[in-house]
Amino acid sequence: EPEVTQTPSHQVTQMGQEVILRCVPISNHLYFYWYRQILGQKVEFLVSFYNNEISEKSEIFDDQFSVERPDGSNFTLKIRSTKLEDSAMYFCASTSDGTASSGANVLTFGAGSRLTVL
Amino acid sequence: RKEVEQDPGPFNVPEGATVAFNCTYSNSASQSFFWYRQDCRKEPKLLMSVYSSGNEDGRFTAQLNRASQYISLLIRDSKLSDSATYLCVVGSNYQLIWGAGTKLIIKP
Repeated sequence: EPEVTQTPSHQVTQMGQEVILRCVPISNHLYFYWYRQILGQKVEFLVSFYNNEISEKSEIFDDQFSVERPDGSNFTLKIRSTKLEDSAMYFCASTSDGTASSGANVLTFGAGSRLTVL
Repeated sequence: RKEVEQDPGPFNVPEGATVAFNCTYSNSASQSFFWYRQDCRKEPKLLMSVYSSGNEDGRFTAQLNRASQYISLLIRDSKLSDSATYLCVVGSNYQLIWGAGTKLIIKP
């Protein structure tokens, strides 16, 4: 079964450092998403990406965050200067066609990247 | 009122029992509804979509009540492996809104 893969599985970083989280979506999927989940809290939408540009972003996705699809397979999330409150599990997800909310397509999640900011 | 609200639980249920939980949503124009399952420190995985007419998948039954703006999940003959957090997800305005989840613990 096709899967979304994420690396690293766990990253520990010092506050203020830049972090890049990588995702390889399912190959024929067109819509890509980043979500985060702070330990014990709910899944929160960060950003969606389609046709090489951001289609939507949440209030959480401020100037410290950026996304990129540099080579047609990887989809990356960069946090420029990490803060303690950025510690969370970051999930990448993708869908084949249409927005995830339409019901026609469901999200396939990667296993997540755990970010710990010290 | 929260956009998507769930009882956090935990629901402690003996193996073999039937358990049900609800999820309420605030946006009456919501178009799509899902139940996801999340094991501890793992990614959410789709359990089932919820259709207007209700739908069943093995031991799991999902219902949608648009008038009262809630969806429900019923698990029959619960197994130890059903222990997880169940996330209600509602699609509105091209976004998915996630509930905080209901924790279910099945006890032998």
